[in-house]
Amino acid sequence: TQLLEQSPQFLSIQEGENLTVYCNSSSVFSSLQWYRQEPGEGPVLLVTVVTGGEVKKLKRLTFQFGDARKDSSLHITAAQPGDTGLYLCAGASGRNYQLIWGAGTKLIIKP
Amino acid sequence: KAGVTQTPRYLIKTRGQQVTLSCSPISGHRSVSWYQQTPGQGLQFLFEYFSETQRNKGNFPGRFSGRQFSNSRSEMNVSTLELGDSALYLCASSPEREWTDTQYFGPGTRLTVL
Repeated sequence: TQLLEQSPQFLSIQEGENLTVYCNSSSVFSSLQWYRQEPGEGPVLLVTVVTGGEVKKLKRLTFQFGDARKDSSLHITAAQPGDTGLYLCAGASGRNYQLIWGAGTKLIIKP
Repeated sequence: KAGVTQTPRYLIKTRGQQVTLSCSPISGHRSVSWYQQTPGQGLQFLFEYFSETQRNKGNFPGRFSGRQFSNSRSEMNVSTLELGDSALYLCASSPEREWTDTQYFGPGTRLTVL
């Protein structure tokens, strides 16, 4: 069974601080997606990483796919209250149409 | 384009009842997936429909069923509700359903079973 473990499960920090969220697995994924979900809404795709070692930047957010395509990280620089939300990673193995989802990291940025 | 819509947004039922949830995908999207989201378990895949056919199914009991209509709208049904069925049910659509596709989620239906 493929599993994606996210850590930490919960993170509460002050505005302006940096943070990193991790998504780890013992399985290899063809691609990995990161979503953010705000209260009362469905998840919204932030980025898809496909190549091992790939780094993508989205303003203050930096996403990295591990060289072996088994793990990924999301780093936020100078966090802002607008970054508050549930961050989810989802991996695709290419075997079927089913994404494997992590349980999420709940992030709160205090002003 | 209008986003994915789900109705109703909130629902309260009692144990033993059944419920039907509805999802209208983005116009032109042919794939619809359903997920159950709970605080402890994250997103759990229920099933996926493409052109009215169920293409993939998660590990849920037979009480959970779904269907897709010719206009790509989808419904999911849960019979004989249990307390543990209380969750946010999310619907997501995508144009086709390749493994690199972006899924566009609706706001979800919050189901509470008493």
